Amino acid sequence: QVQLQQSGPGLVNPSQTLSLTCAISGDSVSSNSAAWSWIRQSPSRGLEWLGRTYYRSKWYNDYAVSVKSRITINPDTSKNQFSLQLNSVTPEDTAVYYCARRNEQTLWFDPWGQGTLVTVSS
Amino acid sequence: DIQMTQSPSSLSASVGDRVTITCRASQSIRSYLHWYQQKPGTAPKLLMSASSSLQSGVPSRFSGSGSGTDFTLTISSLQPEDFATYYCQQTYSTPDTFGQGTKLEIK
Repeated sequence: QVQLQQSGPGLVNPSQTLSLTCAISGDSVSSNSAAWSWIRQSPSRGLEWLGRTYYRSKWYNDYAVSVKSRITINPDTSKNQFSLQLNSVTPEDTAVYYCARRNEQTLWFDPWGQGTLVTVSS
Repeated sequence: DIQMTQSPSSLSASVGDRVTITCRASQSIRSYLHWYQQKPGTAPKLLMSASSSLQSGVPSRFSGSGSGTDFTLTISSLQPEDFATYYCQQTYSTPDTFGQGTKLEIK
């Protein structure tokens, strides 16, 4: 059974970098049949896909246009996890952030991490 | 980006009622449509994939249909544990996009 465990701070200062990690158990970040994604949820934006990383003989990333200039998603094969970095945050980046696995055969998202409420405030 | 529009945004119903939630895509997404259930303070949970395939463990009172641009999620007889928010999602093209949600409340 695949499980995802998120970690990272719940409070970030404006203009700083939001950093979250998603640890994977029961699967591999290097799996050829998965894409590892970050999604956020806020009352104003609803559920918003931010991006993903995946391995198909080499590493690829896809990012949402809305955050493309500020986001980095990196795999860490040594720890079997992946991370989210979002630079230059503003209060509009306040949201619950989720990691999730996209099954590349069925294209659904399952499982999801437990979610991390990140508040951008000084 | 493909826009996903759910209706209604909220719905009040009673235990035992039959309810239908609609999801419309701004262009054809074939059957790359999934439904999630979310309860307060928890992550979305996959209910149904590929428009009509029930996930393991999900009660058979849930059903889905549709292809192309119009999709429905039906709960045949509401149970107390079904009161939650439901989201549709398309994964036909990047970016994967979600509907705005339908909040199902107890009447």
